[in-house]
Amino acid sequence: DTEVTQTPKHLVMGMTNKKSLKCEQHMGHRAMYWYKQKAKKPPELMFVYSYEKLSINESVPSRFSPECPNSSLLNLHLHALQPEDSALYLCASSQDEGANEKLFFGSGTQLSVL
Amino acid sequence: SQQGEEDPQALSIQEGENATMNCSYKTSINNLQWYRQNSGRGLVHLILIRSNEREKHSGRLRVTLDTSKKSSSLLITASRAADTASYFCATDNAGNNRKLIWGLGTSLAVNP
Repeated sequence: DTEVTQTPKHLVMGMTNKKSLKCEQHMGHRAMYWYKQKAKKPPELMFVYSYEKLSINESVPSRFSPECPNSSLLNLHLHALQPEDSALYLCASSQDEGANEKLFFGSGTQLSVL
Repeated sequence: SQQGEEDPQALSIQEGENATMNCSYKTSINNLQWYRQNSGRGLVHLILIRSNEREKHSGRLRVTLDTSKKSSSLLITASRAADTASYFCATDNAGNNRKLIWGLGTSLAVNP
């Protein structure tokens, strides 16, 4: 199984809502990532987890809260988002953390904040 | 921070033609990766080339790396409509190997 599964595929939420994005991989990868991508732009790193511990937080606003319940799951909790947070949110995993690792991406969650 | 810059930003070709995309970067690197992204989907890893390699092949893909010019090229031969996608290069930074640094991407359209 070389898949990273993200749910939901699409999400529309108001600025007062709380929602969560979910990501799952069963490749035994020890590093998991959240990226944000705006249309026609490269992905921007948000968070990195390594061995279920937060390794990198790219100064992401606190309205985004990551969680890694176990080695296969990664969540991104959303609260009080702004319209400018509308984007494609991508989860990825790799064998280990590091920029020499091949990343496996999920299909993403297209988020619209109204 | 932006490391890689792809050239051209957009490319439109006919099916069967070859497509060449270029990536330039600024710092010393240990490796460079190419990824493909179909519209609104996740990225797919295509190939990784290390700094001590000059050329690598994978099916219809050929990647070259010139560390003296800090540049790489991705050649797709005999293109197909299914190759229509955005292509991104990504590098590490030899001084800080923790994060990938992404290029701006080339949008490729292969017309049937």
